[in-house]
Amino acid sequence: EDKVVQSPLSLVVHEGDTVTLNCSYEVTNFRSLLWYKQEKKAPTFLFMLTSSGIEKKSGRLSSILDKKELFSILNITATQTGDSAVYLCAVYGNYGQNFVFGPGTRLSVLP
Amino acid sequence: DVKVTQSSRYLVKRTGEKVFLECVQDMDHENMFWYRQDPGLGLRLIYFSYDVKMKEKGDIPEGYSVSREKKERFSLILESASTNQTSMYLCASSFGRLRDDNYGYTFGSGTRLTVV
Repeated sequence: EDKVVQSPLSLVVHEGDTVTLNCSYEVTNFRSLLWYKQEKKAPTFLFMLTSSGIEKKSGRLSSILDKKELFSILNITATQTGDSAVYLCAVYGNYGQNFVFGPGTRLSVLP
Repeated sequence: DVKVTQSSRYLVKRTGEKVFLECVQDMDHENMFWYRQDPGLGLRLIYFSYDVKMKEKGDIPEGYSVSREKKERFSLILESASTNQTSMYLCASSFGRLRDDNYGYTFGSGTRLTVV
């Protein structure tokens, strides 16, 4: 059975801190891993990762995938209160056409 | 620029009522999904559909049914609502085949359902 684990489940930091969120997975015939940010409504897309070792970057956020060790990390540098959200990791394999989601990491950034 | 629309943002229903949650997408996506989201459990797949009039059970289909009569619309039905179905319900859609440029799912804004 496909499985996605995220850690930590909850994290509280202060503005300006750097955080690293972890996602590990077990999936049949891995195809891609996605990161989403969810504030009070719909999750919004951050990154799609398909290849190992290639960093994807968007402003203060970056992410990288390790297909050998079966994990991904999401880094946020110089955090701001607007980064407070639940960050979801989802993995797509050859089982059906749907993603398997992890439980999410709830990040709280304090002023 | 709304792409996936869920009919209600908040809903309160009584135990035993039949509840309809509607989802409409305007991106011509083949796939549509219903998830529920609960604290500590993440998103759990209820049902999904690859095509019109086609449906597949997800991980937690008990107590739910779905209908997809048109490509753009996917309805979730709670046949007889119970308090353990109180949750946030998220609809999502995607293209039929994953591509580098299609960014996986597009989500609706969610419906927070409370069953009393």
